[in-house]
Amino acid sequence: SAVISQKPSRDICQRGTSLTIQCQVDSQVTMMFWYRQQPGQSLTLIATANQGSEATYESGFVIDKFPISRPNLTFSTLTVSNMSPEDSSIYLCSVRQGAADTQYFGPGTRLTVL
Amino acid sequence: DQQVKQNSPSLSVQEGRISILNCDYTNSMFDYFLWYKKYPAEGPTFLISISSIKDKNEDGRFTVFLNKSAKHLSLHIVPSQPGDSAVYFCAASGGSGGGADGLTFGKGTHLIIQP
Repeated sequence: SAVISQKPSRDICQRGTSLTIQCQVDSQVTMMFWYRQQPGQSLTLIATANQGSEATYESGFVIDKFPISRPNLTFSTLTVSNMSPEDSSIYLCSVRQGAADTQYFGPGTRLTVL
Repeated sequence: DQQVKQNSPSLSVQEGRISILNCDYTNSMFDYFLWYKKYPAEGPTFLISISSIKDKNEDGRFTVFLNKSAKHLSLHIVPSQPGDSAVYFCAASGGSGGGADGLTFGKGTHLIIQP
């Protein structure tokens, strides 16, 4: 399976600021995904990011709040904009590999907003 | 409305015995199911999956059973080892809840293996 890294691994941010999270994969992949895991909750899909097209957002998530870039087949960024304490979560990127719908996850970025 | 449910937040099992983790789903459009294991401060690690055309898939100590009529799946770990202590997530794809390609996750079950 692909090796996925994320930067930063954790951060503490002030309310109203923005943070960009990077996701790097060691092989070319078509589909990348961004998820959020709020404290005590399950993982929730934020958006699907395919290279060369606009990201597709799930209900409850909007591009102005979570802009995503996908400049090539090995890299993506997620920005959490105008942060509030409710954005405190673990943010994870994943890639789909193989014939089935198996996704492989990065280590996550733990974000705390004060 | 949660489409994938793991009703046991935690489960304690003695080392060497069988661990059985359960998962229920409501969306009949789901056609692929996965189990992930997660340690603190790490991302989820893929364990095993099953397609809806099968009712069992086995990989070493891990076996997943799917009962489509009951919309229920379970993960069996035998024998359980101390390194199995982690949070286990059930996930599904193919339904609208997770987007066309995304996964819909349960809330997880914290498995604790007692020595």
